Amino acid sequence: NAGVMQNPRHLVRRRGQEARLRCSPMKGHSHVYWYRQLPEEGLKFMVYLQKENIIDESGMPKERFSAEFPKEGPSILRIQQVVRGDSAAYFCASSPPFPGELFFGEGSRLTVL
Amino acid sequence: AQSVAQPEDQVNVAEGNPLTVKCTYSVSGNPYLFWYVQYPNRGLQFLLKYITGDNLVKGSYGFEAEFNKSQTSFHLKKPSALVSDSALYFCAVRHTSNTGKLIFGQGTTLQVKP
Repeated sequence: NAGVMQNPRHLVRRRGQEARLRCSPMKGHSHVYWYRQLPEEGLKFMVYLQKENIIDESGMPKERFSAEFPKEGPSILRIQQVVRGDSAAYFCASSPPFPGELFFGEGSRLTVL
Repeated sequence: AQSVAQPEDQVNVAEGNPLTVKCTYSVSGNPYLFWYVQYPNRGLQFLLKYITGDNLVKGSYGFEAEFNKSQTSFHLKKPSALVSDSALYFCAVRHTSNTGKLIFGQGTTLQVKP
């Protein structure tokens, strides 16, 4: 049973470009969470999705960030017009329908030049 | 609002000695509490959780944690530290909105010296 799969593991973008981060949850998991980890900081919740629904986006910046979890395929975190401050590790986690612990992927590390 | 505090940025301990990584929480209602470990450039690995029941919870790699309701604490412990335990440790509490999202502390770096 594969774990949570994230890709790319590393992504370099120039200011103003778009970044797309993908997350495939563990088999049987229907809940996906995105977190951001800035250097020397803890994990900050961004968004919680179920298939085709955004349940809680209280941690998402108001502009340039969006997330989706389509009926088919991985969850996508999209950052438009990236700025240097977006440089961070972005972690995806999944859980089964009756959540206990979250299962995390290895993260996608975004560097904005 | 739910929150978690890890008062120590770093804990240093000699190999073979017991270790404690501290965590206190603030939550309305019954808390669901978790510990995770993160090695450099890796994701978070689940160690243990407290949902209900026995206050002493045993987890992976010989770690355990003690839930103390009166002190609102959930300290992580291990009787004998290994150099390989050196990592970043996060305490987390489940948000009572029932979305399942976890609120994390700032993390504590554990350094085990040989």
